This record gives sequence, structure tokens and C-alpha cells, in this order.
Amino acid sequence: EIVLTQSPGSLYLSPGERATLSCRASQSVRSDYLVWYQQKPGQAPRLLIYGASSRATGIPDRFSGSGSGTDFTLTISRLEPEDFAVYYCQQYDTSPQTFGQGTKLEIK
Amino acid sequence: QVQLVQSGAEVKKPGASVKVSCKASGYTFTSYGINWVRQAPGQGLEWVGWISAYNGNADYAQKLQDRVALTTDTSTSTAYMELRSLRSDDTAVYYCARGWELDHWGQGSLVTVSS
Repeated sequence: EIVLTQSPGSLYLSPGERATLSCRASQSVRSDYLVWYQQKPGQAPRLLIYGASSRATGIPDRFSGSGSGTDFTLTISRLEPEDFAVYYCQQYDTSPQTFGQGTKLEIK
Repeated sequence: QVQLVQSGAEVKKPGASVKVSCKASGYTFTSYGINWVRQAPGQGLEWVGWISAYNGNADYAQKLQDRVALTTDTSTSTAYMELRSLRSDDTAVYYCARGWELDHWGQGSLVTVSS
């Protein structure tokens, strides 16, 4: 199965700063099948980015995704207080679909 | 609007079975598959399986495939996940989510396995 490794495990930043989250795959993933989610405590995950770089409906343009092959990135250009959460990448290119272990974005 | 509404929390003993429902509304049920994802307390997301609401084809996580069954009832736009021979490490919130990109999620159903 494809293992997705997210880094860093935790990221401490202040509102207004830029966040860069990494997702590395153990084998190549077609970009169409790479997704990012945001999860806040006590809530279901929310789709942020699909197809590696397309924002889901209602997602602010401060969120952007990029990458291809085995290296993908989620960037939040200017952090808002509501952005502090856990972020997961996921691939469904190859069964079983798999998730990264998550990056927790915390307020510094 | 698209909604997925799941059944309530369950407490089960080891060895028992649980069946969680996921009622869809706001879209054509048979146009999208349903994925099931679980999250153990304080842990990350784990894929359980997927079912096509169109033809009932299913795919399961290998570690669960002997104990899990996904079904759908198109007459009520409801998907079901049944997990048998429950163990303590099955304790988790179980989510249903629509489609391949998981663009809409249910609210989650907490399944607690405890003697």
C-alpha cells in the first residue's frame, strides 16, 4: 500500500504567518487522486483541496495545494485563527486508499 | 444541500456486532459511492472501505475485510456498515463520506467496545 508521510508532525505559527505542510508518498500518486482535509476537535474532517491543487467549494483562496509524483504541499498563505487544526493528506489512486498521519497546526 | 446523517453512539461487548447507518439527502444517491473512515480516540484517519451506491460493488481495507460488510438501500438512500467480532481496538468514531474526494461527511458515530 502507498504510505503517506506528513511533515512536520506539529507546526507552531502565529496568525498572519505562512504555513507549509508536506505530504510525501512512498510511491508515485497521480495528482488527480491526492486530497487534503482539515479537521477541528470534535468535528468531521472537511475537504480542502482535491486533485492536488483545486480548492473545494467555499474554501478561502489563502489555501493552496501543489505538487506531483511523490511530493505534495499544502500552503496557507496568511494564517487566520480558525485555521489552527489538524491537516491530513489522502490518496485514492491505488487501493487501499490511505491517509497521512496528520500535521497539527498550533498557535505559537 | 447535501447531508449525511449517521446513527447514534453504540456500546458493544467484545465479540458482538454493530451496524451503523448513514442516510443521504440532497443529491442522487446512486451517483456517488460512499466511503467509511474511522478514527480511534486521539488518532488519525483510517479507511474502512468503499461501496458503490450504483451497483453495490465494495472494496475493503485488508485488515478488516473478514469482519466488515458494507451495504446500501437505494430505496431509502441509506448506506450501512456492519462490523462483526468486535474488539477493543475497534473503539472509534466511524464516519461515512460521499464520493472519492470525500466532499461531504456524516457527523460520525462513536462505537465503544468494552466488557
